[in-house]
Amino acid sequence: DGGITQSPKYLFRKEGQNVTLSCEQNLNHDAMYWYRQDPGQGLRLIYYSQIVNDFQKGDIAEGYSVSREKKESFPLTVTSAQKNPTAFYLCASTFQGQPQHFGDGTRLSIL
Amino acid sequence: DAKTTQPNSMESNEEEPVHLPCNHSTISGTDYIHWYRQLPSQGPEYVIHGLTSNVNNRMASLAIAEDRKSSTLILHRATLRDAAVYYCILRVLNDMRFGAGTRLTVKP
Repeated sequence: DGGITQSPKYLFRKEGQNVTLSCEQNLNHDAMYWYRQDPGQGLRLIYYSQIVNDFQKGDIAEGYSVSREKKESFPLTVTSAQKNPTAFYLCASTFQGQPQHFGDGTRLSIL
Repeated sequence: DAKTTQPNSMESNEEEPVHLPCNHSTISGTDYIHWYRQLPSQGPEYVIHGLTSNVNNRMASLAIAEDRKSSTLILHRATLRDAAVYYCILRVLNDMRFGAGTRLTVKP
């Protein structure tokens, strides 16, 4: 079945360490997104990419970086500059205005 | 910032209809109204969307006011599995912004 796969499901980071969250889709969607969700809050947009090799900052991009070298993949790196990285991270994709499909998320915690 | 306003929480009894309201007074002519729902520790799930006319699908109905400044998601018979956070979102092309949503509690 087509869908979005996020890995790992749980991730732990030490202080000062960069970590990379994986997002892969086999839906042949052009656009991909990264959201952050804090407990009891809605989703906030970190980065999005409409096509390969192009991406734009969302509302809370500071301390994060992304790449889009392949249509299927949109990894998110949480850098040491992100001082409060503990959150639930969600990846989504869409095609030509169709509803967004979401992965099951990665929960990041600080050790 | 989210451009929609929803109640923080609502309660319903099982097997009764639920009407979830959403205000979007600054909506423009090209904004689609989308609804998603999210279960705990899962990604949001698409429910329904519309532009001007009321819409029905197997999950729910969407009633859109004539001036498009508000809409209502209708679950015809709530079940315990419908307990979730429901998000009302205005979408322009591929741009979507999620607010805090409405937490729906369904009582048996």
